[in-house]
Amino acid sequence: GENVEQHPSTLSVQEGDSAVIKCTYSDSASNYFPWYKQELGKRPQLIIDIRSNVGEKKDQRIAVTLNKTAKHFSLHITETQPEDSAVYFCAASLFGGGYNKLIFGAGTRLAVHP
Amino acid sequence: DSGVTQTPKHLITATGQRVTLRCSPRSGDLSVYWYQQSLDQGLQFLIQYYNGEERAKGNILERFSAQQFPDLHSELNLSSLELGDSALYFCASSGSLALGSHEQFFGPGTRLTVL
Repeated sequence: GENVEQHPSTLSVQEGDSAVIKCTYSDSASNYFPWYKQELGKRPQLIIDIRSNVGEKKDQRIAVTLNKTAKHFSLHITETQPEDSAVYFCAASLFGGGYNKLIFGAGTRLAVHP
Repeated sequence: DSGVTQTPKHLITATGQRVTLRCSPRSGDLSVYWYQQSLDQGLQFLIQYYNGEERAKGNILERFSAQQFPDLHSELNLSSLELGDSALYFCASSGSLALGSHEQFFGPGTRLTVL
């Protein structure tokens, strides 16, 4: 069945350091890979996404890389700040034909210490 | 504010009861998705509707059902509630899939507590 594995489950870094979260998906047909940030008690919010025809995407301090062969994608946050502290979820989807079912990883709790 | 609204914010009920959760998508969005977030299981996809029709189904229990109405709002019905159904239920919406609108915008969620 469809499955997304996410590692690590918790990550603690010092302010200014980089943070990397890795995900592996099982369905080779997946073509859309979003990353969501969820602060305590709030809704998940999209921070960056990548489609299967792109290998890398960057938005300021955040970047995502995709390796379709290995079925692996990663989130990179540089120059971390305390406000980056949250739970981050990766997801994979087979998008198309009116279909967009997101399968989420279990989440990574990131703590950025001043 | 994502533009997706959900009611009620909190719901406390007893085992065996039935509840209805309501979601209004962003203006113009045709797709509605329901997710369940339990403490130990992350975000689990339940079901997707697109312009009134069911489009995708996850591991949704038979005790759960959903529908999307002509005005595009959606309701998730949970019946014969069990303690394990206690969770945060999120609704999300996205735009016209024909236009390639991938992003799903999440509502604030409904916290269901079954006692």
